[in-house]
Order: sequence, then structure tokens, then C-alpha cells
Amino acid sequence: QKEVEQNSGPLSVPEGAIASLNCTYSDRVSQSFFWYRQYSGKSPELIMSIYSNGDKEDGRFTAQLNKASQYVSLLIRDSQPSDSATYLCAVNRKRGSTLGRLYFGRGTQLTVWP
Amino acid sequence: EAGVAQSPRYKIIEKRQSVAFWCNPISGHATLYWYQQILGQGPKLLIQFQNNGVVDDSQLPKDRFSAERLKGVDSTLKIQPAKLEDSAMYLCASSPPGSTEAFFGQGTRLTVV
Repeated sequence: QKEVEQNSGPLSVPEGAIASLNCTYSDRVSQSFFWYRQYSGKSPELIMSIYSNGDKEDGRFTAQLNKASQYVSLLIRDSQPSDSATYLCAVNRKRGSTLGRLYFGRGTQLTVWP
Repeated sequence: EAGVAQSPRYKIIEKRQSVAFWCNPISGHATLYWYQQILGQGPKLLIQFQNNGVVDDSQLPKDRFSAERLKGVDSTLKIQPAKLEDSAMYLCASSPPGSTEAFFGQGTRLTVV
């Protein structure tokens, strides 16, 4: 079983809609959860981090974490064509100063059409 | 604040040749990572340094890959000899003290022909 699983997509939504990206992880002791955005041919860019159950909002982005279900999601409100990219979910067993390995999913490709 | 610097941006080599990549992390970041990202997949950790010590190199193919981080700042990743399956993006990232958030450089796209 893979550490982090994502639907590879592609996910296609119209401009202005809500895009919902999902991720599940296998290790129950995971502590840190991240969403990265990666444009084609570019490196991953950190857009959200979440550590506690519930929702965390930052502008048009909302990350949701449910540790009991081992599930983390990213909602993008008012989607824009510039949001078209691959979104990578990453999970770490550790938090803060305690080091651990960051596991990435394969990514979900999102296309926002005008 | 300057980001993670990597060079070169692109490299094309023949199989069995050697290649080296360089990374300079964000100032003050003690943790440095090297990831390999094959097209269509998520990044895979090759090696993780804390200052100049290795924290995790369990997925580094040590028969051909090596990495060092002298003086706890810059790092180099070397492949010798390269294989066709090494064609990938090689990403360097760093984390600030007290955080597991990783910030990536622009990467080096390696093509082995």
C-alpha cells in the first residue's frame, strides 16, 4: 500500500467553480500535512500546511484534515485558469523540530477552463 | 529572502557518464533534502541532511548515487555511472529550524540518452 494516495485526475472545472482535491494516507501516526502546487516543468510550491483536525483557510484555499479517516483535502474556491497545475499532497510522520521523511502522492492534475 | 538555488537547470548526458548537481539552501535552513521526481510521479526522497550529517539515505541507490553537504550549507549530488532510468527532475529543498515545511529550488532536469 502506498503511503499517500491521490486521484491522478485529470480534474476539470469551469472558472469560478470550487475544485476539490482529495488525499488519503496510510500511516496513522502522521503529524504534518502539506499541499504543493506544481506547474508543468516547474518545481513544487508550498501552498498550504495543516497539522490539526478541521479546516484551515488561506485566501481561496481551504485545507481540511480528518485524522480518524486518514484523509486530507484541498478546496479551491473561485477557481481561476491560473490554478491549472498538478497538486501534490505530502505527509510527514513528524512535526516541528523532530525530523521525518516527507512522503508525496502522485499528484492530481487540475484544469480550470474559462 | 533568496530561495533555494540549484544548478544546472538542465543536463543531457549519455548513459554510463557521470553528472553532478549543486544546491544552496535558504540561509539558516539546517535541513536539506534531495528528491528525485520521475515524470508523472510525486517526488521521492533520496537523501536528507541535518546540518552536515545524514538523517535518511535509505532510498539512495548507493552503488551509483552519492551526496555530500560540507560545512552544513551547500550540497552536491552525484550520479556515476548514469542509467537511462535516472532521467528525472532532481529537486533540492530545505526546511527552517523547528519546521517540517520544505521549500524547493527550481530543480535540475536530467536526461540520460
